[in-house]
Amino acid sequence: IQLAQSPSFLSTSVGDRVTITCRASQGIGRFLAWFQQKPGKAPDLLIYAASTLHSGVPSRFSGSGSGTEFTLTISSLQPEDFGTYYCQQLRSYPYTFGQGTKLEI
Amino acid sequence: QVQLQESGPGLVKPSGTLSLTCTVSGGSITSNDWWSWVRQSPGKGLEWIGEIDQSGNTNYNPSLTGRLTISLDKSKNQLSLTLTSLTAADTAVYYCARFALTIYGDLYYYHMDVWGKGTTVTVSS
Repeated sequence: IQLAQSPSFLSTSVGDRVTITCRASQGIGRFLAWFQQKPGKAPDLLIYAASTLHSGVPSRFSGSGSGTEFTLTISSLQPEDFGTYYCQQLRSYPYTFGQGTKLEI
Repeated sequence: QVQLQESGPGLVKPSGTLSLTCTVSGGSITSNDWWSWVRQSPGKGLEWIGEIDQSGNTNYNPSLTGRLTISLDKSKNQLSLTLTSLTAADTAVYYCARFALTIYGDLYYYHMDVWGKGTTVTVSS
């Protein structure tokens, strides 16, 4: 299953509302997770099951969608939100990741 | 708090074999059903390598099948990866990750909630 994220790059400002889209090549139900990765660090889980916020993740992050189209929204961008965001499908093997969306603030 | 730490050789020769270990601290490797490896080539995205469960059942990325072995050592609280016939394309940061499980109704949602810091592997002569 291929995942296509858009946009690939986003230049934003503090306080902006940001939406990243992840489209799956076939239906995956809600078996989708979102990660944030900063340079030189491991990915951090933000959201799983398409819309469940992982423990400790700020409430400005939210996820939605099912089937083939999913979105990650950051309601009010903070300086620490820079990095690259990846979606991952866990519906079928091999688990796959999107190509990433780099967020520049 | 559970922490994962990868270890292994930083440099391996082409056609050689890579052996990596992931040590689990702050908890037991038996506390979670599934454990996984993920890698990231320089400047590239993330690639799921494979996973193993408590019974030793494995699922591998077809792109690596035939070269890959993932194992679990419960006595040492460790997860291991062995990758043979290495090429430059295997140069990457390798991460181990824990799968957590959340059940909604009759649906089981696994998600990688804890990751190691990663270990860099370079394949070069």
